[in-house]
Amino acid sequence: AQRVTQPEKLLSVFKGAPVELKCNYSYSGSPELFWYVQYSRQRLQLLLRHISRESIKGFTADLNKGETSFHLKKPFAQEEDSAMYYCALSRGGAGSYQLTFGKGTKLSVIP
Amino acid sequence: KAGVTQTPRYLIKTRGQQVTLSCSPISGHRSVSWYQQTPGQGLQFLFEYFSETQRNKGNFPGRFSGRQFSNSRSEMNVSTLELGDSALYLCASSFASGNQADTQYFGPGTRLTVL
Repeated sequence: AQRVTQPEKLLSVFKGAPVELKCNYSYSGSPELFWYVQYSRQRLQLLLRHISRESIKGFTADLNKGETSFHLKKPFAQEEDSAMYYCALSRGGAGSYQLTFGKGTKLSVIP
Repeated sequence: KAGVTQTPRYLIKTRGQQVTLSCSPISGHRSVSWYQQTPGQGLQFLFEYFSETQRNKGNFPGRFSGRQFSNSRSEMNVSTLELGDSALYLCASSFASGNQADTQYFGPGTRLTVL
């Protein structure tokens, strides 16, 4: 069975400081990894996914299969980054749209 | 294009009753998934429908069921409601091109309270 762990419930950083939201996963196959974000009073939305290897809003995430991690990083935090962040895993395979989510990390950027 | 819509947005029921929630996916999307979100358990997958067929199912009791119509709209039903069913129910749609990394687009959710 797959599992996603986000060890921090709350992370507070000062504006301009680097941010790292941790995500570790457990899955025996080749998963797809995602980061979803939920801003205040908005719906859950995709931030980025490992297969795209892109940077969105200054955030990047690298899949480390050896450490089974997919940490989300941003070099300089902005106040608008304050939100709830969820790491998610899809078990892969055609037709598989079942996401397993971590419990989420609330990021608070202090002005 | 219009996003995923869910109705109703809020619902209050009593134990033992049943409830039906509705989800309209983004136009052209063929896959609809349902998730339950609670403070204790977080986001948990309920089931996924594609072309009116349930393709994946999470670890929930049989009281939770769903269906999908030919226009891809989906409904989920919970029978014999329990207090623990109080949650935010999220619907997500995706194009389902066959690419396993298809983005899922989420609706605003239906907040169900069971008294």
